[in-house]
Amino acid sequence: GQNIDQPTEMTATEGAIVQINCTYQTSGFNGLFWYQQHAGEAPTFLSYNVLDGLEEKGRFSSFLSRSKGYSYLLLKELQMKDSASYLCAPMDSNYQLIWGAGTKLIIKP
Amino acid sequence: DAMVIQNPRYQVTQFGKPVTLSCSQTLNHNVMYWYQQKSSQAPKLLFHYYDKDFNNEADTPDNFQSRRPNTSFCFLDIRSPGLGDAAMYLCATSRVTGEYNEQFFGPGTRLTVL
Repeated sequence: GQNIDQPTEMTATEGAIVQINCTYQTSGFNGLFWYQQHAGEAPTFLSYNVLDGLEEKGRFSSFLSRSKGYSYLLLKELQMKDSASYLCAPMDSNYQLIWGAGTKLIIKP
Repeated sequence: DAMVIQNPRYQVTQFGKPVTLSCSQTLNHNVMYWYQQKSSQAPKLLFHYYDKDFNNEADTPDNFQSRRPNTSFCFLDIRSPGLGDAAMYLCATSRVTGEYNEQFFGPGTRLTVL
């Protein structure tokens, strides 16, 4: 079966760095997306990785290891507005996104 | 601005009373998706269309149906809503099904069933 595993909830301090891990098992693999979702709102695109390595985009970076079925999202210089859920979504052999339940990130002052 | 629009943002219906949710897009994307998302859960894919080619997920209940009359519009019909159908319904679009497949989401419709 297909499975996504990410922590349910994490807490971090404003200004700090946090890493959200995701492990996945899918039928085939065609890349992995990270989305941000604020409470009561729709998901918004953050990053896409298809090759191994680190993709950096401002304060956010995403890493992929295909051989390990592993990705992480790194958020630097945390701001209060970063409080949200972060969803890991690999794409399977049919190019369908397989969604995780998300990691709820709580930022404290 | 090109976007995905969902109406209404909040919908209240009574148990068993049919309801229709609508989605429109100005992105001219080929693919449209309907997801159901309950609190703290992953979005669950209900249907998707590649142009007018309809794809029903195997575990989507028969109570849910969908229509896509043209490229821009897509509707989700819930024939007899139950209490368990209360959720956020998300419409998304993407340009193609294969290759890079970033999905663009509308703001969602939150459905309450009384």
